[in-house]
Amino acid sequence: DAKTTQPTSMDCAEGRAANLPCNHSTISGNEYVYWYRQIHSQGPQYIIHGLKNNETNEMASLIITEDRKSSTLILPHATLRDTAVYYCIVRGGNEKLTFGTGTRLTIIP
Amino acid sequence: KAGVTQTPRYLIKTRGQQVTLSCSPISGHRSVSWYQQTPGQGLQFLFEYFSETQRNKGNFPGRFSGRQFSNSRSEMNVSTLELGDSALYLCASSYTGTGLNTEAFFGQGTRLTVV
Repeated sequence: DAKTTQPTSMDCAEGRAANLPCNHSTISGNEYVYWYRQIHSQGPQYIIHGLKNNETNEMASLIITEDRKSSTLILPHATLRDTAVYYCIVRGGNEKLTFGTGTRLTIIP
Repeated sequence: KAGVTQTPRYLIKTRGQQVTLSCSPISGHRSVSWYQQTPGQGLQFLFEYFSETQRNKGNFPGRFSGRQFSNSRSEMNVSTLELGDSALYLCASSYTGTGLNTEAFFGQGTRLTVV
């Protein structure tokens, strides 16, 4: 079973920051938070991951709360191509990636 | 560098037949995982291979099997196909799959239709 809870869907205006929340209240100390997204009928795309510090790359920023029970993925300037299903995954060690139902993000022109 | 390559992209089979799907991981990656995606069940883990050994296995019947070759390429096989096996089959590769800091990269998938 997925260890995360995400909203089913969200909308964001084009050009604005998209903030996608994720709850992972049972996360353990050695588990990382991963974010992937899947654009219709394509394979999931890796976005970013982190342990406890905030992380940023060319795609997004990941903000993890101090108690690590929740996190937020931030797409700073959303474009229409960011419309996708976004998956937040908690994973440790050799564990498989367990995908939940994700958040369907729609970018509105 | 080249990404994860899955072949074929599309496949139509008849109930009762068997099928073999192929996955070539990113060069240097030794871990290959397989997933099944259907509208009703979402993305579900099938199995993972690392250095030619199955390391993790999901909750699928024995009709689903896989293997990995010495060059890390992997195949999965589904025997006695059922209509419910129609799905997008995705392969993901990662450098080792071990440790706590390794992202997986997915191929575009093979869409299998069973008629």
